[in-house]
Amino acid sequence: GESVGLHLPTLSVQEGDNSIINCAYSNSASDYFIWYKQESGKGPQFIIDIRSNMDKRQGQRVTVLLNKTVKHLSLQIAATQPGDSAVYFCAALRRVNSGYSTLTFGKGTMLLVSP
Amino acid sequence: EAQVTQNPRYLITVTGKKLTVTCSQNMNHEYMSWYRQDPGLGLRQIYYSMNVEVTDKGDVPEGYKVSRKEKRNFPLILESPSPNQTSLYFCASSFNWGALAHNEQFFGPGTRLTVL
Repeated sequence: GESVGLHLPTLSVQEGDNSIINCAYSNSASDYFIWYKQESGKGPQFIIDIRSNMDKRQGQRVTVLLNKTVKHLSLQIAATQPGDSAVYFCAALRRVNSGYSTLTFGKGTMLLVSP
Repeated sequence: EAQVTQNPRYLITVTGKKLTVTCSQNMNHEYMSWYRQDPGLGLRQIYYSMNVEVTDKGDVPEGYKVSRKEKRNFPLILESPSPNQTSLYFCASSFNWGALAHNEQFFGPGTRLTVL
């Protein structure tokens, strides 16, 4: 089966610092990965994704790195702001029978940004 | 406004009393899914539906039922709730299953359920 885990339950940073949130996955058949942000009292929101044929993808202030050799991905947030404070989840998608997909979520890392 | 809605947002009930949490989307999405979120465990998929009348079990389906009689609605049914089903529940939808690979999964606001 698939398990997706995050290395740290809480990450505290100062405003303006760069943040790095890590995630490990277990199933080498996973071919697509997503990072979600969940603010208090809300559902998860998409941040950035990456396919398994890539090792890096950049968005606005965010970068995702994928290392398939060690089944590890990370989310880097540049110039972290107080509004970035939230729980961040990685999720791994793999095809199951008949081509359908299943999405497995990690446990989450809480990012705390202090001014 | 394109959205996924859930009702109720908060519910406190007692063991064994049947309940239904409704989920509705107004985006004509084919794929809908239910997750539960528990501290230290993240989000785990309960059931999903590829389209009307097509449903399948996720990772933690025990104690839950779903139905998909129409495209917009995907209710979650707890026939005999137990305290271990106390959790935060999220409904989600996307255009179709392939859209999961294109990041377009929309989540509802969540339903916090407490079973005493």
